[in-house]
Amino acid sequence: KAGVTQTPRYLIKTRGQQVTLSCSPISGHRSVSWYQQTPGQGLQFLFEYFSETQRNKGNFPGRFSGRQFSNSRSEMNVSTLELGDSALYLCASSTEGHTYEQYFGPGTRLTVT
Amino acid sequence: DQQVKQNSPSLSVQEGRISILNCDYTNSMFDYFLWYKKYPAEGPTFLISISSIKDKNEDGRFTVFLNKSAKHLSLHIVPSQPGDSAVYFCAASPSAGAQKLVFGQGTRLTINP
Repeated sequence: KAGVTQTPRYLIKTRGQQVTLSCSPISGHRSVSWYQQTPGQGLQFLFEYFSETQRNKGNFPGRFSGRQFSNSRSEMNVSTLELGDSALYLCASSTEGHTYEQYFGPGTRLTVT
Repeated sequence: DQQVKQNSPSLSVQEGRISILNCDYTNSMFDYFLWYKKYPAEGPTFLISISSIKDKNEDGRFTVFLNKSAKHLSLHIVPSQPGDSAVYFCAASPSAGAQKLVFGQGTRLTINP
């Protein structure tokens, strides 16, 4: 099976702009989660989507939003970018089995200048 | 509030010896624990997990131990190999079915030849 793919891999944006990141989960996986990784805060959970519905949400401002499509692909949007949004954004997919392992993509490195 | 803590930012071990990575948690609602390994420029890779009803889980060279009373878990790698050099993240899942993982800050493991 192909792994989780994320596009683009690298992105440079200016403060105040918005950005959309894309994630394609492993075939058959219906849950997609997003995480932000920064040197200071580590890996932090943003939100999780299942069957096109947001099921879990982390402690991030409303500028961070997402959605999931019927084919389980997901997008994450950040509006009004701030310098502090510079981070590695990771997407992870999983099944609905009894285990909770999530499989991560390579991430999108966002730099805000 | 850091619910999952990895107090050692780095660890250096001789090839062939045992590597022991530690993790502490504060939330007694966590019922599933996972270890991930991360290489630079890649997403975290699932390594091994343990349910709160067990105290040990083994997979090849990797063993995870859970001490619920102490809210402590550890990952043992025996024998350590140069390819094990990576950042290791401990993660916890709150409540059954939740896809939200809470990660520790990570420990950089270096295996010296």
